[in-house]
Amino acid sequence: DTGVSQNPRHKITKRGQNVTFRCDPISEHNRLYWYRQTLGQGPEFLTYFQNEAQLEKSRLLSDRFSAERPKGSFSTLEIQRTEQGDSAMYLCASSTGTSGIYNEQFFGPGTRLTVL
Amino acid sequence: AQKVTQAQTEISVVEKEDVTLDCVYETRDTTYYLFWYKQPPSGELVFLIRRNSFDEQNEISGRYSWNFQKSTSSFNFTITASQVVDSAVYFCALAPYGNNRLAFGKGNQVVVIP
Repeated sequence: DTGVSQNPRHKITKRGQNVTFRCDPISEHNRLYWYRQTLGQGPEFLTYFQNEAQLEKSRLLSDRFSAERPKGSFSTLEIQRTEQGDSAMYLCASSTGTSGIYNEQFFGPGTRLTVL
Repeated sequence: AQKVTQAQTEISVVEKEDVTLDCVYETRDTTYYLFWYKQPPSGELVFLIRRNSFDEQNEISGRYSWNFQKSTSSFNFTITASQVVDSAVYFCALAPYGNNRLAFGKGNQVVVIP
């Protein structure tokens, strides 16, 4: 399977715990995105990497959230001190592209987080 | 800021009927891209179509067609001769030129009844 993969697919945690999600993009894609989707809503942009550089962050990404993409390959999204409001599907997407050119984002299956 | 509005929430059709999904967007950018994505029950978003704001030609791709009207800021999507496998949530999305963040609407739940 050469698509975007995400692990774990499901995560249940207690409020106050830290969680980390992983995303492996399509191998030749230099761009990687994180989105959050709550029930009944469309995905909301969180952050974006081009290679290893984090180029954009949404105001939705509070100080408790941090994302990394070491070496421009896989990415991790960590949420510290989780709150019940963090319960959502976290989607990762990747694309090719250079500045000013838009290419389709291909999405992974998501990680569903439930905070008890 | 960009905003995408999909007014209809759930649409039910009988198999083989056509279904049209409405999308209205707001943006201050003069150049942008518009998309439709499908999210089946499995949850994975699937890219369907992309349209550039500077090209208003409407096209057909298989059973999918779209009607882009810049004057009314609308980007409607039609599935012709619907099939049960078309049952999914469909999202309209927008990205300004030079910006990679997709702004999604709330989605349309399409239910195709056999």
